[in-house]
Amino acid sequence: DAMVIQNPRYQVTQFGKPVTLSCSQTLNHNVMYWYQQKSSQAPKLLFHYYDKDFNNEADTPDNFQSRRPNTSFCFLDIRSPGLGDAAMYLCATSRDPGATYEQYFGPGTRLTVT
Amino acid sequence: TQLLEQSPQFLSIQEGENLTVYCNSSSVFSSLQWYRQEPGEGPVLLVTVVTGGEVKKLKRLTFQFGDARKDSSLHITAAQTGDTGLYLCAGVLNAGNMLTFGGGTRLMVKP
Repeated sequence: DAMVIQNPRYQVTQFGKPVTLSCSQTLNHNVMYWYQQKSSQAPKLLFHYYDKDFNNEADTPDNFQSRRPNTSFCFLDIRSPGLGDAAMYLCATSRDPGATYEQYFGPGTRLTVT
Repeated sequence: TQLLEQSPQFLSIQEGENLTVYCNSSSVFSSLQWYRQEPGEGPVLLVTVVTGGEVKKLKRLTFQFGDARKDSSLHITAAQTGDTGLYLCAGVLNAGNMLTFGGGTRLMVKP
């Protein structure tokens, strides 16, 4: 089945230690998104790739970076995680930034910072 | 203040009851989506509505888009414990804009 896969599902890192979360998709969608979701809150968009074009949200901290080496894979790099970065990180895809913007989410990676 | 306001924020009901969740805005959306998110999982798309006044049904779930495309509702008939989760509405203001999420409604259906 076509899907969005995130690895790992759970990640523990130390304060200040760089961490990378990965996302892959078999939907062949042009757009990939990274969201941060804290407990009982709505997902907050960090950035997205439209094909190879990177689009950063204005309030996304510089500590967060992303790479998309090919259509199928996208990575979220947190250069120096702080305690406030503990959250669920969701990857999503959409076919293109059309009017309906239906997005398909992965299961998420829960990040713990110790 | 969020662009999309969902109400109620929390809802706890008994199995078999009916419920309605609301998603309201002062802005006009070109489309609106509803997602359900279970604990520890990503949101799952339930429905997309694009036409003012549109009504869509998904088994016991009925979704309505307001005539002015500023609001939407989700009605669940005879709720089941499997309906438990976080319900998120999300809208697109104009083509090319990002999806804007509401704050969510956390539903608990007790047996």
